[in-house]
Amino acid sequence: GENVEQHPSTLSVQEGDSAVIKCTYSDSASNYFPWYKQELGKRPQLIIDIRSNVGEKKDQRIAVTLNKTAKHFSLHITETQPEDSAVYFCAASYSGGGADGLTFGKGTHLIIQP
Amino acid sequence: GAVVSQHPSWVICKSGTSVKIECRSLDFQATTMFWYRQFPKQSLMLMATSNEGSKATYEQGVEKDKFLINHASLTLSTLTVTSAHPEDSSFYICSASTGAKGGYTFGSGTRLTVV
Repeated sequence: GENVEQHPSTLSVQEGDSAVIKCTYSDSASNYFPWYKQELGKRPQLIIDIRSNVGEKKDQRIAVTLNKTAKHFSLHITETQPEDSAVYFCAASYSGGGADGLTFGKGTHLIIQP
Repeated sequence: GAVVSQHPSWVICKSGTSVKIECRSLDFQATTMFWYRQFPKQSLMLMATSNEGSKATYEQGVEKDKFLINHASLTLSTLTVTSAHPEDSSFYICSASTGAKGGYTFGSGTRLTVV
């Protein structure tokens, strides 16, 4: 089955700086790579996703890059704000909303220092 | 947008009893429902996948006789934790898909505490 590795486990950045979280996956058949933000006791919230036919996707301060050859994808958050503090999870699946579920990374606790 | 309602949001039960968790898709038909478990400060782990009208598929290491899943309609899936023990205490979250490439919609989660 799929295995997703995520680094770092904790990331502390100054407000206004950029944050980068990296993930690698093991199964080249995976085609869908979402990123979720989760606050304590809440459901995961999709912040951005990318499919295997795209190398990069951006939504305002958030961007995701995908390198299928190397089997890794990264989340980039620019101009970080205090409300960006949360746990972020990367994930992978074969179909992206079809018959298979998501394999999650272990999560990154992002701390924005004021 | 697509909404999945999950109940209860939290439950405390005695060891040895059973607990049922419901997930309903409110404005779409969920062809497939996924159930995840999340221990404190850990990641979400897929427990099982259920399709409407058929038996659930369980991930390796998940006891199908302990975690009973029913997906009787396109809008309702239930997870029953049978003979619960303290080690079953966790955050349980459902997620639905329409079967197309429409992504996943998560329920709000259920915090189960077994005492």
